[in-house]
Amino acid sequence: QKEVEQNSGPLSVPEGAIASLNCTYSDRGSQSFFWYRQYSGKSPELIMSIYSNGDKEDGRFTAQLNKASQYVSLLIRDSQPSDSATYLCAVNVGYSTLTFGKGTMLLVSP
Amino acid sequence: ETGVTQTPRHLVMGMTNKKSLKCEQHLGHNAMYWYKQSAKKPLELMFVYSLEERVENNSVPSRFSPECPNSSHLFLHLHTLQPEDSALYLCASRAGDRGSFEQYFGPGTRLTVT
Repeated sequence: QKEVEQNSGPLSVPEGAIASLNCTYSDRGSQSFFWYRQYSGKSPELIMSIYSNGDKEDGRFTAQLNKASQYVSLLIRDSQPSDSATYLCAVNVGYSTLTFGKGTMLLVSP
Repeated sequence: ETGVTQTPRHLVMGMTNKKSLKCEQHLGHNAMYWYKQSAKKPLELMFVYSLEERVENNSVPSRFSPECPNSSHLFLHLHTLQPEDSALYLCASRAGDRGSFEQYFGPGTRLTVT
């Protein structure tokens, strides 16, 4: 059973702080890793993808991948109340499918 | 993501009804997916249609029946559902090229079975 584990949270951070979201996965063969943001009552929105070890930055978001340790993380700098959402980690399984974690709820307080 | 549309957005049905969910993607993709999202559970893959393969989650009951007439349209036919089938049903699409794994979701259909 290929699994993706995330702390369900909520992770509470003050506005302007750095939010750090973590994810571990069980399949060493996984090559592609994704972060989705899901607002309450909405569908998941792809915000980051990462394929190689190291960091990938996009605006206030940085994805970090460590395949040896089988973890992927998402950093959100200068967190805003509008970042409050559930963040889903997803990992590819084969060519067609993704396995999703349960998600971490992030709450950014003004 | 307006590239993937789903109808209806909300559906209330009795256990003896038959209904269908529709998904359409305008992204030129050639892989489409149905997911079920229940409270406090991870997204559950139900069905995949792609050029490479068709995947069915063997745990999905036969009261859910997919149909994919072409690369832009995907249906989920529902019959004799149970209250535990109430959930958010999400459609997603992917470019389908090997090495391209990003999936883009539609807005979902909120299904309530009474």
